[in-house]
Amino acid sequence: GDSVTQMEGPVTLSEEAFLTINCTYTATGYPSLFWYVQYPGEGLQLLLKATKADDKGSNKGFEATYRKETTSFHLEKGSVQVSDSAVYFCAPPQRGQNFVFGPGTRLSVLP
Amino acid sequence: ETGVTQSPTHLIKTRGQQVTLRCSSQSGHNTVSWYQQALGQGPQFIFQYYREEENGRGNFPPRFSGLQFPNYSSELNVNALELDDSALYLCASSLGLVATGELFFGEGSRLTVL
Repeated sequence: GDSVTQMEGPVTLSEEAFLTINCTYTATGYPSLFWYVQYPGEGLQLLLKATKADDKGSNKGFEATYRKETTSFHLEKGSVQVSDSAVYFCAPPQRGQNFVFGPGTRLSVLP
Repeated sequence: ETGVTQSPTHLIKTRGQQVTLRCSSQSGHNTVSWYQQALGQGPQFIFQYYREEENGRGNFPPRFSGLQFPNYSSELNVNALELDDSALYLCASSLGLVATGELFFGEGSRLTVL
């Protein structure tokens, strides 16, 4: 079946370092791709989304491009902050209406 | 615009007991999904309700049941609690069924089963 592979964590970076969290998926034809973030003690919230191939989503300095040719949706940020410490989930929807979340990637940013 | 609210935020139960968790969806949203998130794991889909009908279910036993009310709020009921049911239960609302839209999550109800 369709699946998503997300880079395993934890990832520990120093403040202002460059961040990449890899996400690849096995199927084609997803209408949209999403990155969700979960800050400590909170529920998930949408970080960014891309609604079609080659579309770039961006928010809070994070970016991800829906690359159909490599079936990827990697998350990047040029300069991370301590406040970016959280768990990040790559979540393309199932063929249906329900999101499938992997284990996520825990990011810790040190001052 | 009121966001998704869940209650209670924390609760402790013992094995064999029953629990009801509640969720108020974001204003205007007619779809509610429930997820279970064990410590250190990603959220696992339990089921979804759309206009008061169950519309999809994950790999959870029948002792997990739910309801959606005419105002689109929802309840998750778990009977015969087991230790492994200890988790954060997340409610998410959305507009419509098609998963091209965003899910709006509440902050969750943390259940501990002793």
